[in-house]
Amino acid sequence: DAGVTQSPTHLIKTRGQQVTLRCSPKSGHDTVSWYQQALGQGPQFIFQYYEEEERQRGNFPDRFSGHQFPNYSSELNVNALLLGDSALYLCASSLGQMEKLFFGSGTQLSVL
Amino acid sequence: DAKTTQPPSMDCAEGRAANLPCNHSTISGNEYVYWYRQIHSQGPQYIIHGLKNNETNEMASLIITEDRKSSTLILPHATLRDTAVYYCIGTGGFKTIFGAGTRLFVKA
Repeated sequence: DAGVTQSPTHLIKTRGQQVTLRCSPKSGHDTVSWYQQALGQGPQFIFQYYEEEERQRGNFPDRFSGHQFPNYSSELNVNALLLGDSALYLCASSLGQMEKLFFGSGTQLSVL
Repeated sequence: DAKTTQPPSMDCAEGRAANLPCNHSTISGNEYVYWYRQIHSQGPQYIIHGLKNNETNEMASLIITEDRKSSTLILPHATLRDTAVYYCIGTGGFKTIFGAGTRLFVKA
């Protein structure tokens, strides 16, 4: 049973560029949440997708957007990248919006 | 979500029990206490959760005080592989908010 998979594992971009990160949830899960984790800090909640809609959102600007597909996989898009967007981006899936989270290993994004 | 307070770091000797405290005095009646841990460079891993009663699984035990204002995660026989950041979260669902957690060092 495959767990949560994220791609790519590492990514280097320059300021002003746009990036798309991808996540496949654990088999049978229908909800995907995205987190940003800066070095030395706890994960910060970005948003949650359920039934192909954004259901919950953290304190992140509109440059951060997402999508969930009918097969429950999800994308995180970040526009107009800033140096401060450099972080580990984590995807978590769950069965339903209120259940325990299963995390992927993350995408390490570096913005130069 | 309830605000939680955890010590920033703790040490534990290998083979001994590790007891990680968490204060969540603002937790409401329908909010669960969840524990996750994050080993360096990996995504967080679910450990255990509970509402009122004490809970035990293959990884740990969770002791919740009767007034639900605090809890303790117990790793009964800590190993070096248990060195990680442990997060205590009070949540009613929909979004799981992580704090800074407790960095547990298990020493040989």
